[in-house]
Amino acid sequence: EAGVTQFPSHSVIEKGQTVTLRCDPISGHDNLYWYRRVMGKEIKFLLHFVKESKQDESGMPNNRFLAERTGGTYSTLKVQPAELEDSGVYFCASSLGTGFAEQYFGPGTRLTVT
Amino acid sequence: LAKTTQPISMDSYEGQEVNITCSHNNIATNDYITWYQQFPSQGPRFIIQGYKTKVTNEVASLFIPADRKSSTLSLPRVSLSDTAVYYCLVGDTRYSSASKIIFGSGTRLSIRP
Repeated sequence: EAGVTQFPSHSVIEKGQTVTLRCDPISGHDNLYWYRRVMGKEIKFLLHFVKESKQDESGMPNNRFLAERTGGTYSTLKVQPAELEDSGVYFCASSLGTGFAEQYFGPGTRLTVT
Repeated sequence: LAKTTQPISMDSYEGQEVNITCSHNNIATNDYITWYQQFPSQGPRFIIQGYKTKVTNEVASLFIPADRKSSTLSLPRVSLSDTAVYYCLVGDTRYSSASKIIFGSGTRLSIRP
């Protein structure tokens, strides 16, 4: 069974540009989560989808971040416009149930904003 | 979720047993203790979870004293491939929202030949 995949693995963009990160969850997992770790900080929750609906987006830092999950399959996280402080690693996770011990994490996308 | 405290880093050698202790003085009655492992360039991976006493699986053992204010992750006979960051998380894994997850800084374990 394929795990959670994320694309790209690494993205380098200039401040003010737009970047879109993609996450493909494990097939059949209704729950999809986005997390990030910015430089020198801890892994923090961003948001949680149940199928195509946003269950909890309390961790989204500001309106420059937009997450979508059309059709309840893969998800995208768009940052527009990107700022220097957005640099970090963005992780996606998916699960069947909502218990956090059930989450499977992807390898992450390393975003560098210059 | 209960805040946790664990050592920032630890070093050991291949073949040794490694014990990483996590303090969680404010653990609540419904909270479970969960440990994650993260290799470089990968996302965190669940390794073990427990509520009290001892839990063992094919990867590790988890020891939890009666007061549950701390826990110890035990890795038997470590190898170079066990070099990773280990996170201790405490919470009600059944009902806690993911937004309440606190990964903390983790313990960076380095294994040497």
